Amino acid sequence: GAVVSQHPSWVICKSGTSVKIECRSLDFQATTMFWYRQFPKQSLMLMATSNEGSKATYEQGVEKDKFLINHASLTLSTLTVTSAHPEDSSFYICSAREVGTGEGEKLFFGSGTQLSVL
Amino acid sequence: AQSVAQPEDQVNVAEGNPLTVKCTYSVSGNPYLFWYVQYPNRGLQFLLKYITGDNLVKGSYGFEAEFNKSQTSFHLKKPSALVSDSALYFCAVRDMSSWGSASKIIFGSGTRLSIRP
Repeated sequence: GAVVSQHPSWVICKSGTSVKIECRSLDFQATTMFWYRQFPKQSLMLMATSNEGSKATYEQGVEKDKFLINHASLTLSTLTVTSAHPEDSSFYICSAREVGTGEGEKLFFGSGTQLSVL
Repeated sequence: AQSVAQPEDQVNVAEGNPLTVKCTYSVSGNPYLFWYVQYPNRGLQFLLKYITGDNLVKGSYGFEAEFNKSQTSFHLKKPSALVSDSALYFCAVRDMSSWGSASKIIFGSGTRLSIRP
């Protein structure tokens, strides 16, 4: 199947600093990418939908100025957690949908990034 | 609003025995339902889907799921469990208010499946 590379797999940062997470579709083009946040023993909560060449669409309750999303190309989306605080510590997962598809099986997931803010 | 519920946080099964991971859904209209599996430190992998057609859907790794409209359920099953099936399983439904490439998937809370040798 298609591969989505997410980097870094884990990061530790000091409170107040910013952290960038990259999500790349390696062998397909992705018009749309999704960013999720997963708490321990909880489901994936959709944070935002990232569209290539346009502004991201954020879910209710997600601060767009806090979680900056850039989808500069059909193979790369980035999530920047700005001025990170301990409550931002979580497991972040991206997924990418192959161009021209709209069903779940064409949605490929990255391996996730564990963010720990000290 | 669409939603799925997974009533069990954990399911424990002996290797070789059949397994069932439960999922119920709440959707207005016909549901698009999915099962995903998450192995440790890895992203989610698609297992199977139901959109229309036969109520029994077969998927990857020998898994299958049965769509039951009257019970609004979509339970995941496997006739004979393997230790390697141990993972976190998510039931999901398509958000019918979104469409095309931007269609969203709404996930259940996940069920941890543990298969003992």
